[in-house]
Amino acid sequence: KQEVTQIPAALSVPEGENLVLNCSFTDSAIYNLQWFRQDPGKGLTSLLLIQSSQREQTSGRLNASLDKSSGRSTLYIAASQPGDSATYLCAVSYTGANSKLTFGKGITLSVRP
Amino acid sequence: DAGVTQSPTHLIKTRGQHVTLRCSPISGHKSVSWYQQVLGQGPQFIFQYYEKEERGRGNFPDRFSARQFPNYSSELNVNALLLGDSALYLCASSFSRSGANVLTFGAGSRLTVL
Repeated sequence: KQEVTQIPAALSVPEGENLVLNCSFTDSAIYNLQWFRQDPGKGLTSLLLIQSSQREQTSGRLNASLDKSSGRSTLYIAASQPGDSATYLCAVSYTGANSKLTFGKGITLSVRP
Repeated sequence: DAGVTQSPTHLIKTRGQHVTLRCSPISGHKSVSWYQQVLGQGPQFIFQYYEKEERGRGNFPDRFSARQFPNYSSELNVNALLLGDSALYLCASSFSRSGANVLTFGAGSRLTVL
């Protein structure tokens, strides 16, 4: 069964801290992996997409890495800010034939001023 | 430029009723996908439509159906509503059917079944 796991479910850090969010997946035959941000009651915003042939992607203060062999991805957030408070979801695509994504439950991040 | 728009934003139904949710993709996007997000869970894939044809289907009962129109907008229909259908229904659009494309999500339609 293809499952995506994100632990812990919630995380609270002080402003300015660098932090890492973890994602693991059971089936390493992925097509790509995406990280999304979701604000309360809102839709999802795509942050980074890593193709299966890539090891990492960067956008501003965000860096996502992918290790297919171990079934893991990490999202690194540098110099966290209160505006980073949201739920971060990891999603895996197992095929290029359609847009089906398998999501984790997400990590709810709170950055304290 | 308008993003993915969904309507209605909120609605309340009773068990056994039927609901229709609507989605307009970003201009130029030909693929629409539907996801169900129950509170505290990640989104679950329901359908993908591309060029008016179903291109993918998740593990949902036949009470769930969808269609895509010539202008690429889409409707999700749910019949015989159950309490467990209460969720945020998300629509996402992309340029093609490929899994290589980044999905752009709408704000969702929150359905409450009483």
